[in-house]
Amino acid sequence: DTGVSQDPRHKITKRGQNVTFRCDPISEHNRLYWYRQTLGQGPEFLTYFQNEAQLEKSRLLSDRFSAERPKGSFSTLEIQRTEQGDSAMYLCASSFNRGLSTDTQYFGPGTRLTVL
Amino acid sequence: KQEVTQIPAALSVPEGENLVLNCSFTDSAIYNLQWFRQDPGKGLTSLLLIQSSQREQTSGRLNASLDKSSGRSTLYIAASQPGDSATYLCAVNGNQFYFGTGTSLTVIP
Repeated sequence: DTGVSQDPRHKITKRGQNVTFRCDPISEHNRLYWYRQTLGQGPEFLTYFQNEAQLEKSRLLSDRFSAERPKGSFSTLEIQRTEQGDSAMYLCASSFNRGLSTDTQYFGPGTRLTVL
Repeated sequence: KQEVTQIPAALSVPEGENLVLNCSFTDSAIYNLQWFRQDPGKGLTSLLLIQSSQREQTSGRLNASLDKSSGRSTLYIAASQPGDSATYLCAVNGNQFYFGTGTSLTVIP
C-alpha cells in the first residue's frame, strides 16, 4: 500500500472558479478526513466520513464547500465560487475506526490551492 | 469549543540535548491524542497515538505522556538530532479533531 494520495498537488485558479480535489485513502481504512491548513497554523478540521456517510462537518465548511465519498473509498472536496481566502493547503487523512476510538490518522501530501 | 495550545512556539537546541514539547487542551472529554511532525511544505507524519485510557506511549527516542484530567500532554525527545528539525503538532480527538499551532524545532549540529 502506498499510503494516502491526493490529486492534484497544486492548483492555481481565478477567483470565482470551481475546483475539485481528490483523496484516495489507505485501502482498508473506513474513516476519511479533510482539513485545511494555512501558513503558520495547525490543520483545521473540515469534515470526516465513515465509509460513505459524512458524520461531522465543521462550521468552517460553508455552503460553497461540499465533500463526497460515494462508494466509501476515494473522496472529493469541491469548492464553488472560490475566494482568495480559500487559498490554503487542503489535507486528507484516513484511519481505521473501532467503535468510539480511532486508530492513527495517516495524512496525504496535501493539495495547495492558490486563488488569484 | 476545544482549544489546543502548544508551548513553546519555537525551540532551538544543540544536537544531543533532551527536550520536552508541551500541549494543553481545554476539554478533557477526548478519545485520544496524537502527536505529528510536519516538514516544511509537506503533509503530517504520525509519531505517537495515546488513547484516553493510557498514560504514555513510547517509540524509539520519543515518549509521549497524557494527563487527561489536567488537559496536558508532553512529547519528550531524547538525544535530539538535526533530522528531528520540524514542526511538531498535537491533535486531540473528541467529537471533532483539533490541532494545536505547533512547535517549530531546530536542532543545531
